[in-house]
Amino acid sequence: KAGVTQTPRYLIKTRGQQVTLSCSPISGHRSVSWYQQTPGQGLQFLFEYFSETQRNKGNFPGRFSGRQFSNSRSEMNVSTLELGDSALYLCASSSSQSGGADTQYFGPGTRLTVL
Amino acid sequence: AQSVAQPEDQVNVAEGNPLTVKCTYSVSGNPYLFWYVQYPNRGLQFLLKYITGDNLVKGSYGFEAEFNKSQTSFHLKKPSALVSDSALYFCAVRVYILTGGGNKLTFGTGTQLKVEL
Repeated sequence: KAGVTQTPRYLIKTRGQQVTLSCSPISGHRSVSWYQQTPGQGLQFLFEYFSETQRNKGNFPGRFSGRQFSNSRSEMNVSTLELGDSALYLCASSSSQSGGADTQYFGPGTRLTVL
Repeated sequence: AQSVAQPEDQVNVAEGNPLTVKCTYSVSGNPYLFWYVQYPNRGLQFLLKYITGDNLVKGSYGFEAEFNKSQTSFHLKKPSALVSDSALYFCAVRVYILTGGGNKLTFGTGTQLKVEL
C-alpha cells in the first residue's frame, strides 16, 4: 500500500497570507490527524477528522482549520499567517474507529516557512 | 491530562553497545504507548507500540520496549546499536476512551540518539 502523502512538501509564504496543505491517507484509513512540529514547542496535536467530522481539536487559534472529504483526503488551512506558524506540519492516518489502539502512520510533512 | 517525559535530550552510544532511550508517562486510565523515529527532513516512522499483554514489546529494526506500570515507564532498547540508528526518537501516549474515541497522541520532547563508531 502507498503511504501517507502530503503536498506540497515545501512552502514559503509571507505574513498575513493564508495557506492550504493537503494530505492523502493510506487507502482504507478513515482517520486523519494533523500535528505541528517546531523546535520550541515540539510535536503538538492540531485536530483529527474521521468520516468528514472533526473528532478532536488541540489548543490552536481559530486561524487553523481543516476539513475532510468523502474519500478521506484532508486539508488544513492557516489564515493570516504569523512568523510563529513556521513549522513542519505532519499528517497521520489510521483505520481507528473509536478509542482503538490502531497505529497512526505519518506522512513526510509539509515544511512551511513564513517570512 | 496526559503527558510524556523524555528526560534526556541526547543519548550517545558506541556502535555495538546496547542502547536505552527513556520515557515516562502520566495518564488517567490505561495507556497506549508508542515509539516513533524521525530522520532528518522526514516524517515520523512507527517503531512499536504497547497496548496490553506482555510487557516486553518487540518492534522494527531490532528495537524493543519494556512497559513498567509501577514505574509508569516505557523505555526503548536495542541490544546492539548501529550508526544508522542515529536519529530523533519520540515516545507518545494515547488514552483509551470507551466512547467518543479519538486518535490524539501526546508526544514527548524527543531524544536525539547518536551512535558513534
